Amino acid sequence: DAGVIQSPRHEVTEMGQEVTLRCKPISGHDYLFWYRQTMMRGLELLIYFNNNVPIDDSGMPEDRFSAKMPNASFSTLKIQPSEPRDSAVYFCASSKLTSNRYWGTDTQYFGPGTRLTVL
Amino acid sequence: GQSLEQPSEVTAVEGAIVQINCTYQTSGFYGLSWYQQHDGGAPTFLSYNGLDGLEETGRFSSFLSRSDSYGYLLLQELQMKDSASYFCAVNAGNMLTFGGGTRLMVKP
Repeated sequence: DAGVIQSPRHEVTEMGQEVTLRCKPISGHDYLFWYRQTMMRGLELLIYFNNNVPIDDSGMPEDRFSAKMPNASFSTLKIQPSEPRDSAVYFCASSKLTSNRYWGTDTQYFGPGTRLTVL
Repeated sequence: GQSLEQPSEVTAVEGAIVQINCTYQTSGFYGLSWYQQHDGGAPTFLSYNGLDGLEETGRFSSFLSRSDSYGYLLLQELQMKDSASYFCAVNAGNMLTFGGGTRLMVKP
């Protein structure tokens, strides 16, 4: 398997521009997660989907952020308008529900990340 | 909510043993996971504890005490390539909440 695929790997944009980050999860995985990582705030969960349905978006910083998952193999995270404080590495991760929750790891497999710089 | 505490930095020499501690406060807890992240890379899964006790995977072991809300990652026979950040994460339902990470520096 190719693993979780993210694009672009690097994005440099100017304040006020729209940014779209893309993710292809591992085939057969039920869950998809978007994280943001900065030195100051660490690794933060923004939103996650189960079977393409958004389950918890309480980590989305503000209305400028939106995420969609139109099908099982594709998700986007959009920022509009972008601001310098949005500069971070954005990771997408996917996992598969295990049959026995107590024993299962629900291991999350992370993509390589998108390094976003907003000038 | 969830909160996790782990040391920000640990330094050790090649061949040594190092222990990275993690304490947590959480509502809803299934287990504790550990992830490794090299500079510029993505977090990768190392270990999971759903039950109290020690889980061993090669040079790495992880321990959990639910009653103490405490766990640790033990790295033995340290190698230079083990220099990375290590994150504990609480599994609560389908979600992971990550600690701030411990940066491990292995010196020759």
